[in-house]
Amino acid sequence: NAGVTQTPKFQVLKTGQSMTLQCAQDMNHNSMYWYRQDPGMGLRLIYYSASEGTTDKGEVPNGYNVSRLNKREFSLRLESAAPSQTSVYFCASSPRLAGDEWTGTDTQYFGPGTRLTVL
Amino acid sequence: AQSVTQLGSHVSVSEGALVLLRCNYSSSVPPYLFWYVQYPNQGLQLLLKYTSAATLVKGINGFEAEFKKSETSFHLTKPSAHMSDAAEYFCAVSRPPGGYQKVTFGTGTKLQVIP
Repeated sequence: NAGVTQTPKFQVLKTGQSMTLQCAQDMNHNSMYWYRQDPGMGLRLIYYSASEGTTDKGEVPNGYNVSRLNKREFSLRLESAAPSQTSVYFCASSPRLAGDEWTGTDTQYFGPGTRLTVL
Repeated sequence: AQSVTQLGSHVSVSEGALVLLRCNYSSSVPPYLFWYVQYPNQGLQLLLKYTSAATLVKGINGFEAEFKKSETSFHLTKPSAHMSDAAEYFCAVSRPPGGYQKVTFGTGTKLQVIP
């Protein structure tokens, strides 16, 4: 099993350009997440997908959109990149139990990250 | 609202010395708590988690953490540091059932191990 994979690993954009970060997991997990990591700020949740076909905003969704393409794939799109979006982006997935209740105990499995620089 | 505070953004220990990384939580309800480790240029991986069972939790690579409700703490320890323990460590807290699983991460502590 590859676990959680992310592409690309590195990307440099100019202000105003758009791009899509790709994420896929092969663990048959229901839930997927996008985080950004900035120095001294830990990880902040951008968007999450509780299950295939649903997405919801996290802490810092402005400037981003997501698509849960199928159970395996969850992409993050920057429509018009800004220097403030320079960061390391992590995708994660977790099993989550069936039904609407979140257990809160799920382990999240992280991808290796995408380092994005916006000039 | 839930949050975690990690005391010390950088900690240095000698190889073979005790590792102690501090985490205090704030939660209006009994929390679930996690420690994740991030090695250079990698994603985070779970070290251990507390889910209201035993208060002393053992994790991978010889790490353990003790949940102390009276101190609202969940400090991470390892008796003897190895060079391979050099990494960044994140404490995290999540809500109990009934809400979406928003995991709040601390700001991280970088552990340096000196030979």
